[in-house]
Amino acid sequence: ILNVEQSPQSLHVQEGDSTNFTCSFPSSNFYALHWYRWETAKSPEALFVMTLNGDEKKKGRISATLNTKEGYSYLYIKGSQPEDSATYLCAFLDSGYALNFGKGTSLLVTP
Amino acid sequence: GAGVSQSPSNKVTEKGKDVELRCDPISGHTALYWYRQSLGQGLEFLIYFQGNSAPDKSGLPSDRFSAERTGGSVSTLTIQRTQQEDSAVYLCASSLRDSDEQYFGPGTRLTVT
Repeated sequence: ILNVEQSPQSLHVQEGDSTNFTCSFPSSNFYALHWYRWETAKSPEALFVMTLNGDEKKKGRISATLNTKEGYSYLYIKGSQPEDSATYLCAFLDSGYALNFGKGTSLLVTP
Repeated sequence: GAGVSQSPSNKVTEKGKDVELRCDPISGHTALYWYRQSLGQGLEFLIYFQGNSAPDKSGLPSDRFSAERTGGSVSTLTIQRTQQEDSAVYLCASSLRDSDEQYFGPGTRLTVT
């Protein structure tokens, strides 16, 4: 079992605030780092798959960075909206195929 | 196109009963995964199927759990003699190839009373 840690566990922000979460993972045997958004009663939705040290990916107001040498990734949300409320999961993939998930960061954005 | 589907969406069962959970992966995806999330825990890998290869069952928590994938498509996860600690959301995912982005179904919420 590979230790993937996410922080904070939960976050409550106001609409329009920008926020970020952290995912830390083992820095050895790195293959990829996945970010997912999981809304209640829906399927987890893939946000990013990151493979290269220094990668920075963006999708709309959401972006992510990757540091494989020190074993962390940040997810940023700019100008949070109520529809961003969800649990954000990161998952580490080593040379295998099974994703090793963190416990997630639960985000609540209130108007 | 159609995504990953799972049935039932919710299942309440009595301790000691057997349950079957079904997963229909995306057509053409050769890899299929089962995960579960117990209360307060992260998603936990259970089992992996790839094409006609023998499945990787290393994540199954006990011999009460088994899974099969028929014809390289639909998969069934079976839990025999359910226990209260089996209560969790069971998620199925599929991917085109190993290590590709995994597409998840909506899950089955299992409650063992």
